[in-house]
Amino acid sequence: DTGVSQNPRHKITKRGQNVTFRCDPISEHNRLYWYRQTLGQGPEFLTYFQNEAQLEKSRLLSDRFSAERPKGSFSTLEIQRTEQGDSAMYLCASSLKVSTEAFFGQGTRLTVV
Amino acid sequence: DAKTTQPTSMDCAEGRAANLPCNHSTISGNEYVYWYRQIHSQGPQYIIHGLKNNETNEMASLIITEDRKSSTLILPHATLRDTAVYYCIVISMNYGGSQGNLIFGKGTKLSVKP
Repeated sequence: DTGVSQNPRHKITKRGQNVTFRCDPISEHNRLYWYRQTLGQGPEFLTYFQNEAQLEKSRLLSDRFSAERPKGSFSTLEIQRTEQGDSAMYLCASSLKVSTEAFFGQGTRLTVV
Repeated sequence: DAKTTQPTSMDCAEGRAANLPCNHSTISGNEYVYWYRQIHSQGPQYIIHGLKNNETNEMASLIITEDRKSSTLILPHATLRDTAVYYCIVISMNYGGSQGNLIFGKGTKLSVKP
């Protein structure tokens, strides 16, 4: 068990550019979550997958955001036409099932300049 | 999911017990109480969870009142490494909808001092 892995750890991009983050969950974990966290706030739920199916999306997830989890393994979160307000820590978590604890990755810190 | 209320911050002396309260007065019968913590610049870390009974593991103890409207997380011998933001979260285990999703508040910033 190597834990939840997120790449890259840091990303600086210019406003208007597209960025993609990757999350590798703990193997055999069926549920995968994406969260966003800004300074001084708790993590905010964005979306989650049960295997390859995206079952819920927060209203925070605008149409510039898209997440995928092909084959129910790793997941990607893409932000198109980044804005300065997208600057945040993006956290990924996975769990075996709904009633078990979620394990979080170290996050990807995005800075939009 | 029910909302929770936690103090914004608390201090604790190193080696002493840290008692972190959480109010969840609107909790319903199928909702669990979970605790996570987040050390600076790291992802949240699971601590403990419970439904009705008190729970203990290697990290902490969770005391849930009989009416389940509040709970206390106890770190029995706090160390400097326990300095973190502690989140109390109530989660529904019903099928469908947002079941199982963690909805974080602002948590309690615990500062353990030497």
